Parts: sequence; C-alpha cells; structure tokens
Amino acid sequence: DGGITQSPKYLFRKEGQNVTLSCEQNLNHDAMYWYRQDPGQGLRLIYYSQIVNDFQKGDIAEGYSVSREKKESFPLTVTSAQKNPTAFYLCASSLVFGGGASAQHFGDGTRLSIL
Amino acid sequence: KNQVEQSPQSLIILEGKNCTLQCNYTVSPFSNLRWYKQDTGRGPVSLTIMTFSENTKSNGRYTATLDADTKQSSLHITASQLSDSASYICVVTGGGNKLTFGTGTQLKVEL
Repeated sequence: DGGITQSPKYLFRKEGQNVTLSCEQNLNHDAMYWYRQDPGQGLRLIYYSQIVNDFQKGDIAEGYSVSREKKESFPLTVTSAQKNPTAFYLCASSLVFGGGASAQHFGDGTRLSIL
Repeated sequence: KNQVEQSPQSLIILEGKNCTLQCNYTVSPFSNLRWYKQDTGRGPVSLTIMTFSENTKSNGRYTATLDADTKQSSLHITASQLSDSASYICVVTGGGNKLTFGTGTQLKVEL
C-alpha cells in the first residue's frame, strides 16, 4: 500500500543531544513537509522540499535541519539548539508543492519528549 | 494576517446525532479549503476540498459548505458514529500555495 511511514513513533531526547526523525514515502510525490503540532495550536511548518536536493525553511525552522537526498526520504534532525522540542511531529507529502488540488498525505507522526 | 478560526473548540454528542463544525478564515487571496480528520495519535486525513466556486460537497456522512463571500465554511456530520470521535482541522490555501491551519475542533461521540 502506498503511504508515508514515520519512525520511531516515540522518541526521547537527552539534554544536548541531536535526534533524527525518519520519514519515507512511496507515493512518488515530489513535495515533502515537516510540521510540528502542539496542543491548542494549528500545525506549524518547519521545513519543506519541493524536489529532491532542495529544501526551504518554513515558519519555525530554528533548531531543526533536514536533507532531501532521495525522493522517497526527508529526515528531520532536532538539534540541541531547539530548546523546546517536546511536540508531535508530522511528515507529509504531496504530488506538487502547496495546497492545490493535490492533497497532502500525512504520516502517523513521531512524539518527541525530553528526558 | 492570515488566520483560520474554528469553533467550537470541543464538542460532545450522542451517537446517532448530527453536528456542525464551523471554520472562519481571513486568508487572502483564497485558493481552496480542506477539512481533515485526525484520529488521536495519527496523522490527518483529507475529507473534502472546496474551491471558490463550490458551495457544497459531500463525502459519505460528511458534508462541507463554503460561503466565500463571508469567508465561512462548515462541516456537517450526519448520524454520528463512535468512530467519528477525532479532531477536525480546517486548512485554507492562500497565495503562493501557502497553507494556514486551524487549531481544530475536538469531537467526542458517546453512547
């Protein structure tokens, strides 16, 4: 079945540690996104990639980094510079960039907590 | 500033009853509006998409309406089921294909 796979489902970070969240899609979508979801807030865009080997900062990119070396993969690294990383992280993809006729398909998220 | 406001914030209804969720937006220019359903601990799933020229669109027991003049949308759920318990998120696409997300309405359906 086509879809987006995020792993791990739960992740714990120690002080000063970088952690990487995995996102893989087999939908042959060009565009991929990372969002952060906090209680009582709408999804906020961290980074997006319109095509392989290209990515752009979203609204809250500080303390995060990404890479897009393969079309199928868009990993997100939460660095030690992100002082409040506890949140639910969602990866999404779409056939083309943005919110046009092509809906964004979401993975089932990774919940990151601080130890 | 582009904003999407949803109401109510949370709602509890009995199984079999109908309900209507509201979405007001100030996004301009407007491209389209989507409703997503997000089950607890899962990612959102698209229910409907509404463009400027569409007033009503149905997906099974879900019916979305759009009034582009007043910048309001609603999602009506008919004959609710326990599986409808979820967060419903309104998302508006504006200029540059930029998405603005609402904070969601948390719906709980009880026996």
